[in-house]
Amino acid sequence: EVQLVESGGGLVQPGGSLRLSCSASGFTFSSYWMHWVRQPPGKGLVWVSRIDTGGSSASYADSVKGRFTISRDNAKNTLYLQMNSLRAEDTAVYYCARPLVSRSSIWFDPWGQGTLVTVSS
Amino acid sequence: QPVLTQPPSASASLGASVTLTCTLSSGYGDYKVDWYQQSPGKGPRFLMRVGTGGIVESKGDGIPDRFSVFGSGLNRYLTIKNIQEEDESDYHCGADHGSGSTFVYVFGTGTKVTVL
Repeated sequence: EVQLVESGGGLVQPGGSLRLSCSASGFTFSSYWMHWVRQPPGKGLVWVSRIDTGGSSASYADSVKGRFTISRDNAKNTLYLQMNSLRAEDTAVYYCARPLVSRSSIWFDPWGQGTLVTVSS
Repeated sequence: QPVLTQPPSASASLGASVTLTCTLSSGYGDYKVDWYQQSPGKGPRFLMRVGTGGIVESKGDGIPDRFSVFGSGLNRYLTIKNIQEEDESDYHCGADHGSGSTFVYVFGTGTKVTVL
């Protein structure tokens, strides 16, 4: 069974840091780009970041650029999101998602169950 | 980049049908849209992809036949026939745009479906 399990969320003060992890199983992790998507409480989904298969190329939403860093460890089948200089507006459930590709276009399947990050003093 | 617009809510009686709409912003009429279901407290689940010609590729694993899609102009539709209690969820549409450093995946704001 293809599965993604996030961890590492919690309560952090504004300006603080947190590292999220996403453990993958049931597929060849090193063959897939991976993404992070977040969902503020009661709101819609927002794409955050993506990373290529080898971990050498990444891109970010403007709202997190310069503060968040995506990385991966293919030997451990794990995706990471290092979040620094956290703000109240970063409060959200964070999901990792595997993209499937057709003709250079992607969709996400599956998603993890999410981990909640709360930024508050 | 495209903007995807969804109505905030929809409802249908048990066993009836409901059609959800995702509208692309002007100029993006050739874009495919992906539909996701999000049950309360869970991560999203991929349903299927839709273009102007209808479904693109295959449905997600285990998606019942009562879920179908079609597209017209800037609109991408998801229809749920014979709606069941377990279909009460939030439904999100999304689409990818750009490549390299300009890549972004955009989502609509989601439609909450209530089964009466």
